[in-house]
Amino acid sequence: SQTIHQWPATLVQPVGSPLSLECTVEGTSNPNLYWYRQAAGRGLQLLFYSVGIGQISSEVPQNLSASRPQDRQFILSSKKLLLSDSGFYLCAWSVRTGGVNYGYTFGSGTRLTVV
Amino acid sequence: AQSVTQPDIHITVSEGASLELRCNYSYGATPYLFWYVQSPGQGLQLLLKYFSGDTLVQGIKGFEAEFKRSQSSFNLRKPSVHWSDAAEYFCAVGARGSQGNLIFGKGTKLSVKP
Repeated sequence: SQTIHQWPATLVQPVGSPLSLECTVEGTSNPNLYWYRQAAGRGLQLLFYSVGIGQISSEVPQNLSASRPQDRQFILSSKKLLLSDSGFYLCAWSVRTGGVNYGYTFGSGTRLTVV
Repeated sequence: AQSVTQPDIHITVSEGASLELRCNYSYGATPYLFWYVQSPGQGLQLLLKYFSGDTLVQGIKGFEAEFKRSQSSFNLRKPSVHWSDAAEYFCAVGARGSQGNLIFGKGTKLSVKP
Protein backbone atom coordinates (compact mmCIF):
# COMPACT_ATOMS: atom_id res chain seq x y z
CA SER A 1 0.00 0.00 0.00
CA GLN A 2 1.01 3.56 -0.55
CA THR A 3 2.22 5.72 2.31
CA ILE A 4 3.46 9.26 2.58
CA HIS A 5 5.97 10.41 5.16
CA GLN A 6 6.52 14.00 6.12
CA TRP A 7 8.98 15.34 8.68
CA PRO A 8 9.59 16.91 11.03
CA ALA A 9 6.18 17.18 12.68
CA THR A 10 7.02 20.45 14.40
CA LEU A 11 9.77 22.98 13.90
CA VAL A 12 10.68 26.26 15.57
CA GLN A 13 13.19 28.30 13.62
CA PRO A 14 14.60 31.82 14.06
CA VAL A 15 14.06 34.47 11.43
CA GLY A 16 16.79 34.35 8.80
CA SER A 17 17.61 30.69 9.31
CA PRO A 18 17.35 28.10 6.51
CA LEU A 19 14.58 25.56 6.13
CA SER A 20 14.33 22.07 4.75
CA LEU A 21 11.16 19.99 4.94
CA GLU A 22 11.13 16.56 3.41
CA CYS A 23 8.37 14.40 2.03
CA THR A 24 8.67 10.87 0.68
CA VAL A 25 6.12 8.54 -0.84
CA GLU A 26 6.27 4.77 -0.78
CA GLY A 27 4.42 2.15 -2.77
CA THR A 28 3.85 4.07 -5.97
CA SER A 29 5.80 5.34 -8.94
CA ASN A 30 5.66 8.58 -10.89
CA PRO A 31 3.33 10.39 -8.50
CA ASN A 32 2.35 14.01 -8.75
CA LEU A 33 3.67 15.73 -5.63
CA TYR A 34 2.42 18.88 -3.92
CA TRP A 35 3.33 21.30 -1.16
CA TYR A 36 0.53 23.22 0.53
CA ARG A 37 0.54 25.76 3.32
CA GLN A 38 -2.22 26.50 5.77
CA ALA A 39 -2.18 29.77 7.63
CA ALA A 40 -4.79 30.30 10.31
CA GLY A 41 -8.18 30.99 8.77
CA ARG A 42 -6.83 31.07 5.20
CA GLY A 43 -7.52 27.60 3.91
CA LEU A 44 -5.09 25.63 1.77
CA GLN A 45 -2.61 27.48 -0.38
CA LEU A 46 -0.84 25.50 -3.11
CA LEU A 47 2.85 26.40 -3.08
CA PHE A 48 4.49 23.98 -5.50
CA TYR A 49 3.69 20.89 -7.50
CA SER A 50 5.78 18.46 -9.46
CA VAL A 51 4.93 15.98 -12.20
CA GLY A 52 8.40 14.44 -12.40
CA ILE A 53 12.01 14.54 -11.25
CA GLY A 54 13.38 18.04 -11.53
CA GLN A 55 10.03 19.43 -12.73
CA ILE A 56 8.73 22.03 -10.31
CA SER A 57 5.87 24.47 -10.82
CA SER A 58 5.48 27.39 -8.47
CA GLU A 59 2.03 28.73 -7.77
CA VAL A 60 2.92 31.61 -5.49
CA PRO A 61 6.03 33.80 -5.65
CA GLN A 62 7.60 33.75 -2.23
CA ASN A 63 10.58 33.06 -0.05
CA LEU A 64 10.37 29.31 -0.59
CA SER A 65 11.62 26.85 -3.18
CA ALA A 66 11.03 23.17 -3.88
CA SER A 67 13.05 20.37 -5.37
CA ARG A 68 12.42 16.81 -6.46
CA PRO A 69 15.74 15.02 -6.54
CA GLN A 70 14.18 11.55 -6.74
CA ASP A 71 10.88 10.23 -8.08
CA ARG A 72 9.27 9.90 -4.65
CA GLN A 73 11.03 12.65 -2.74
CA PHE A 74 9.87 16.24 -2.52
CA ILE A 75 11.72 18.90 -0.54
CA LEU A 76 10.60 22.35 0.52
CA SER A 77 13.38 24.83 1.30
CA SER A 78 14.17 28.37 2.20
CA LYS A 79 17.49 30.13 2.48
CA LYS A 80 16.25 32.72 4.98
CA LEU A 81 12.97 32.31 6.82
CA LEU A 82 10.59 35.19 7.40
CA LEU A 83 8.02 35.53 10.16
CA SER A 84 5.33 35.22 7.49
CA ASP A 85 6.58 31.72 6.62
CA SER A 86 5.02 30.37 9.81
CA GLY A 87 2.21 27.95 9.16
CA PHE A 88 1.21 24.35 8.71
CA TYR A 89 2.85 22.72 5.70
CA LEU A 90 1.31 19.74 4.01
CA CYS A 91 2.76 17.43 1.41
CA ALA A 92 0.46 15.42 -0.84
CA TRP A 93 0.66 13.00 -3.74
CA SER A 94 -1.71 11.86 -6.44
CA VAL A 95 -1.77 9.17 -9.06
CA ARG A 96 -0.52 10.42 -12.38
CA THR A 97 -2.76 8.90 -15.06
CA GLY A 98 -3.92 10.56 -18.21
CA GLY A 99 -7.11 12.53 -17.82
CA VAL A 100 -8.23 11.36 -14.39
CA ASN A 101 -7.51 13.00 -11.07
CA TYR A 102 -8.15 10.45 -8.37
CA GLY A 103 -7.64 12.90 -5.54
CA TYR A 104 -4.78 13.58 -3.21
CA THR A 105 -3.32 11.71 -0.26
CA PHE A 106 -1.89 14.03 2.35
CA GLY A 107 0.95 13.68 4.80
CA SER A 108 0.47 14.49 8.46
CA GLY A 109 1.95 17.96 8.14
CA THR A 110 4.70 20.09 9.66
CA ARG A 111 3.91 22.92 12.04
CA LEU A 112 6.53 25.62 11.39
CA THR A 113 6.89 28.53 13.78
CA VAL A 114 9.35 31.25 12.84
CA VAL A 115 10.43 33.31 15.85
CA ALA B 1 -11.13 27.66 -14.53
CA GLN B 2 -12.87 25.85 -11.74
CA SER B 3 -13.58 27.28 -8.29
CA VAL B 4 -15.13 26.09 -5.03
CA THR B 5 -17.19 27.95 -2.47
CA GLN B 6 -17.97 26.75 1.03
CA PRO B 7 -20.38 29.39 2.29
CA ASP B 8 -20.21 28.44 5.96
CA ILE B 9 -16.99 29.21 7.80
CA HIS B 10 -18.12 27.69 11.10
CA ILE B 11 -21.06 25.48 12.00
CA THR B 12 -22.10 24.20 15.42
CA VAL B 13 -24.45 21.25 15.81
CA SER B 14 -25.57 19.20 18.76
CA GLU B 15 -24.38 15.64 19.09
CA GLY B 16 -26.91 13.33 17.49
CA ALA B 17 -28.29 16.02 15.21
CA SER B 18 -28.09 15.84 11.45
CA LEU B 19 -25.45 17.71 9.51
CA GLU B 20 -25.22 19.27 6.09
CA LEU B 21 -22.13 21.13 4.89
CA ARG B 22 -22.51 23.11 1.73
CA CYS B 23 -20.22 23.15 -1.27
CA ASN B 24 -20.80 24.96 -4.55
CA TYR B 25 -18.48 24.73 -7.50
CA SER B 26 -17.94 26.53 -10.73
CA TYR B 27 -16.89 24.48 -13.74
CA GLY B 28 -18.07 24.20 -17.32
CA ALA B 29 -18.55 20.43 -17.29
CA THR B 30 -19.01 17.69 -14.73
CA PRO B 31 -16.00 17.87 -12.45
CA TYR B 32 -14.39 15.43 -10.10
CA LEU B 33 -15.56 16.29 -6.58
CA PHE B 34 -14.08 15.47 -3.21
CA TRP B 35 -14.65 15.99 0.49
CA TYR B 36 -11.75 15.93 2.94
CA VAL B 37 -11.69 16.14 6.73
CA GLN B 38 -8.90 17.58 8.85
CA SER B 39 -8.60 17.07 12.60
CA PRO B 40 -6.57 19.68 14.50
CA GLY B 41 -2.86 19.40 13.79
CA GLN B 42 -3.37 16.60 11.28
CA GLY B 43 -3.27 16.17 7.54
CA LEU B 44 -6.36 15.91 5.36
CA GLN B 45 -8.19 12.61 5.04
CA LEU B 46 -10.39 11.77 2.07
CA LEU B 47 -14.02 11.21 3.09
CA LEU B 48 -15.52 10.54 -0.32
CA LYS B 49 -15.30 11.38 -4.00
CA TYR B 50 -17.53 11.65 -7.02
CA PHE B 51 -16.37 10.81 -10.51
CA SER B 52 -19.50 9.72 -12.38
CA GLY B 53 -22.60 7.56 -12.09
CA ASP B 54 -24.79 7.54 -9.01
CA THR B 55 -25.04 11.10 -7.74
CA LEU B 56 -25.32 9.99 -4.12
CA VAL B 57 -21.91 8.97 -2.89
CA GLN B 58 -21.19 7.08 0.31
CA GLY B 59 -18.00 7.69 2.21
CA ILE B 60 -16.21 6.73 5.36
CA LYS B 61 -17.39 7.51 8.90
CA GLY B 62 -21.05 7.49 7.87
CA PHE B 63 -20.83 10.51 5.57
CA GLU B 64 -22.53 10.88 2.22
CA ALA B 65 -22.64 13.59 -0.40
CA GLU B 66 -24.98 14.31 -3.27
CA PHE B 67 -23.94 15.79 -6.58
CA LYS B 68 -26.59 18.12 -7.99
CA ARG B 69 -25.65 19.32 -11.43
CA SER B 70 -28.52 21.81 -11.65
CA GLN B 71 -27.36 23.53 -8.48
CA SER B 72 -23.61 23.06 -9.02
CA SER B 73 -23.48 21.64 -5.53
CA PHE B 74 -21.89 18.74 -3.71
CA ASN B 75 -23.18 18.95 -0.15
CA LEU B 76 -21.90 16.68 2.58
CA ARG B 77 -24.37 15.07 4.97
CA LYS B 78 -24.46 12.90 8.03
CA PRO B 79 -27.69 11.81 9.71
CA SER B 80 -26.34 11.79 13.28
CA VAL B 81 -23.22 13.67 14.30
CA HIS B 82 -20.79 12.30 16.86
CA TRP B 83 -18.47 14.41 19.02
CA SER B 84 -15.52 12.91 17.14
CA ASP B 85 -16.76 14.53 13.93
CA ALA B 86 -15.60 17.92 15.19
CA ALA B 87 -13.01 18.96 12.60
CA GLU B 88 -12.55 21.11 9.54
CA TYR B 89 -14.05 19.96 6.28
CA PHE B 90 -12.80 20.85 2.82
CA CYS B 91 -14.55 20.46 -0.49
CA ALA B 92 -12.39 20.18 -3.62
CA VAL B 93 -13.00 20.12 -7.35
CA GLY B 94 -10.83 18.77 -10.14
CA ALA B 95 -11.08 19.27 -13.87
CA ARG B 96 -11.65 16.35 -16.20
CA GLY B 97 -9.41 15.39 -19.05
CA SER B 98 -6.27 16.99 -17.73
CA GLN B 99 -3.65 16.78 -15.05
CA GLY B 100 -5.07 19.91 -13.48
CA ASN B 101 -4.66 20.32 -9.79
CA LEU B 102 -7.48 20.11 -7.29
CA ILE B 103 -9.00 23.40 -6.20
CA PHE B 104 -9.96 23.49 -2.52
CA GLY B 105 -12.61 25.51 -0.76
CA LYS B 106 -11.63 27.52 2.29
CA GLY B 107 -13.11 24.96 4.63
CA THR B 108 -15.93 24.72 7.15
CA LYS B 109 -15.10 24.23 10.79
CA LEU B 110 -17.55 21.94 12.56
CA SER B 111 -18.07 22.15 16.30
CA VAL B 112 -20.21 19.58 18.12
CA LYS B 113 -22.12 20.46 21.29
CA PRO B 114 -22.61 17.68 23.84
